Amino acid sequence: GNSVTQMEGPVTLSEEAFLTINCTYTATGYPSLFWYVQYPGEGLQLLLKATKADDKGSNKGFEATYRKETTSFHLEKGSVQVSDSAVYFCALSVATSTASKLTFGTGTRLQVTL
Amino acid sequence: KAGVTQTPRYLIKTRGQQVTLSCSPISGHRSVSWYQQTPGQGLQFLFEYFSETQRNKGNFPGRFSGRQFSNSRSEMNVSTLELGDSALYLCASSREGGSNQPQHFGDGTRLSIL
Repeated sequence: GNSVTQMEGPVTLSEEAFLTINCTYTATGYPSLFWYVQYPGEGLQLLLKATKADDKGSNKGFEATYRKETTSFHLEKGSVQVSDSAVYFCALSVATSTASKLTFGTGTRLQVTL
Repeated sequence: KAGVTQTPRYLIKTRGQQVTLSCSPISGHRSVSWYQQTPGQGLQFLFEYFSETQRNKGNFPGRFSGRQFSNSRSEMNVSTLELGDSALYLCASSREGGSNQPQHFGDGTRLSIL
């Protein structure tokens, strides 16, 4: 089956520190990969995506590269801000049909302090 | 452009009752998916609707059902509520569905079972 494994949180960083949140996946087909972010009391917002190997998704200073050889999609940001504090979810969707089904990791809580 | 709208935002029910949740997708989006989010199980896929037809279904009991109307609005129904059904229920929409299309989430309905 399909699965996503994320590093356990919480991750606590000082403002302007470098962020890495690890994500690895197992998929039966050729997945598209996503990072979503959830702020308190809200739904999920798409942060970035990559649909094929070696693609790099980027948005708001966050980046992730689709690595097929290591089945990974690690999230990085060079300098975090307090406003980046949220829960981050790695997710995949497999191209076996036209159906949409996201398989999520457990989420990683990021806390950024001044 | 209005986002995905879910109503109500909060619900309190007792065991044995039933509940209906509503989701209005982004204008022009025809695929609507539902997810359950709990602290213990994380984010789990319930089902997806496209053009008024259920196209994909997760591993939930038959107490969980849904439908989609001709205007793409969707409802989810849970019958004979159990304490374990307490969760945040998230609706997501995309234009046509498909694995490489990002899904746009609403803020969710928080259901509490007493």
